[in-house]
Amino acid sequence: KAGVTQTPRYLIKTRGQQVTLSCSPISGHRSVSWYQQTPGQGLQFLFEYFSETQRNKGNFPGRFSGRQFSNSRSEMNVSTLELGDSALYLCASSPGDRGQTGELFFGEGSRLTVL
Amino acid sequence: DQQVKQNSPSLSVQEGRISILNCDYTNSMFDYFLWYKKYPAEGPTFLISISSIKDKNEDGRFTVFLNKSAKHLSLHIVPSQPGDSAVYFCAAKKKTSYDKVIFGPGTSLSVIP
Repeated sequence: KAGVTQTPRYLIKTRGQQVTLSCSPISGHRSVSWYQQTPGQGLQFLFEYFSETQRNKGNFPGRFSGRQFSNSRSEMNVSTLELGDSALYLCASSPGDRGQTGELFFGEGSRLTVL
Repeated sequence: DQQVKQNSPSLSVQEGRISILNCDYTNSMFDYFLWYKKYPAEGPTFLISISSIKDKNEDGRFTVFLNKSAKHLSLHIVPSQPGDSAVYFCAAKKKTSYDKVIFGPGTSLSVIP
């Protein structure tokens, strides 16, 4: 079974630009979550999608947005990039059932550098 | 406001000895607690979890202990192996929060041969 796939793996942008990151979950998984990892901050929750609907949202500004498609693939977008947006962006998938205990399956991440 | 805290950014342990990683939380409404392990250039992988109604869960060399009154949990690795060298994230979630998992900042474990 293929794992969670994130593209691109690395990218460099300049301040003010926007970026779109893509995530393909494990086959059969309907929930996709996004996290931002920065040194010393751990993984900060961005949002979670299930069946094309946002079920949860973290405390990030509106510049951070996401969506999920009917095949469960997800994209996240960051507009008007700031230097502080430089981070590893991780996508995670799970079956999304109500009884989920928190076991998530992560991709390798997309490393964004903002210059 | 960090709901899950890991106050030790790093820990070094000799191979064969016990590694103890600690975690504190502030939200008494959490129902599940988890540990994830992350190697460089890889995504985190789930290691072990515990329900809030239990105080211990064991899986091979890994044991998680939960002290609800102190809002504290710990991960014990016995015996520690060089391959255990990684960043360990403590995490927690509420039953009603679907897949919103709250992570701590992580502890970098180095197991010295």
